[in-house]
Amino acid sequence: DQQVKQNSPSLSVQEGRISILNCDYTNSMFDYFLWYKKYPAEGPTFLISISSIKDKNEDGRFTVFLNKSAKHLSLHIVPSQPGDSAVYFCAASLLSGGGADGLTFGKGTHLIIQP
Amino acid sequence: DSGVTQTPKHLITATGQRVTLRCSPRSGDLSVYWYQQSLDQGLQFLIQYYNGEERAKGNILERFSAQQFPDLHSELNLSSLELGDSALYFCASSSGHWETQYFGPGTRLLVL
Repeated sequence: DQQVKQNSPSLSVQEGRISILNCDYTNSMFDYFLWYKKYPAEGPTFLISISSIKDKNEDGRFTVFLNKSAKHLSLHIVPSQPGDSAVYFCAASLLSGGGADGLTFGKGTHLIIQP
Repeated sequence: DSGVTQTPKHLITATGQRVTLRCSPRSGDLSVYWYQQSLDQGLQFLIQYYNGEERAKGNILERFSAQQFPDLHSELNLSSLELGDSALYFCASSSGHWETQYFGPGTRLLVL
C-alpha cells in the first residue's frame, strides 16, 4: 500500500519554463512534507519542506504548495534550469507522533530540463 | 556535501554472507536513519536510532540489525544475504527527532 504517490515517473520541461511536480498522499495523519532531489550515484539532497499548518513555502526558485483537503502537494520550480534535471522525491512524516520517525517516500519523478 | 559519510561505497558479496555498512552522521546530529532503495520498492525506511537508542522501526527484516555507538556513528548489519537484498543503502541524520534529514551518498550492495 503506497501512502505517498508520485504518479508521473518522468517530466520534460523546457529551460526557463515552470516545472510542476505533483505528489499525493493517503495517510491524513502525515503532517510534515519534504522534497528531495537526487542525482545518479548520490544521496537525496533536501530541497524544501512544509508543515501541515501552512499551505505554501517558498525558497528561491522553489515553492511547495500543500492542499490538505485534497491530500496533494506540488513543487514548483521557476525558472527551470539545466541543473535541475534530476529525480525528485516527495516524502512525508508524522511529526505529531512524538518524533520524525522515518520518512515515507514516493517513487520519484525524473525531471528533464530541455535546452 | 551533506556532511554524512558512508562506507564502503560499493560492496559485492555472495548469498548467505554477512556484511556491515557504516555511517557517520553530520557533526552534532543525534539521530541516524537507515533506508533501502531497491529498483521496485523505491526508498524504504528501515530503522532509526537517537543518541544510541533505537527510536523507530520500519520495514526492516529480522536478518538485518543496526546499532548506534557512543560516538554516534551507526552500523547496519545484513546477514544471510539473499539476491533480493541487492540495493542502495542510505544513511541519513538529523539533529533531533523532527528536524530535516540529510542523506549520505549511499552504499551499493550487490549480492551474487
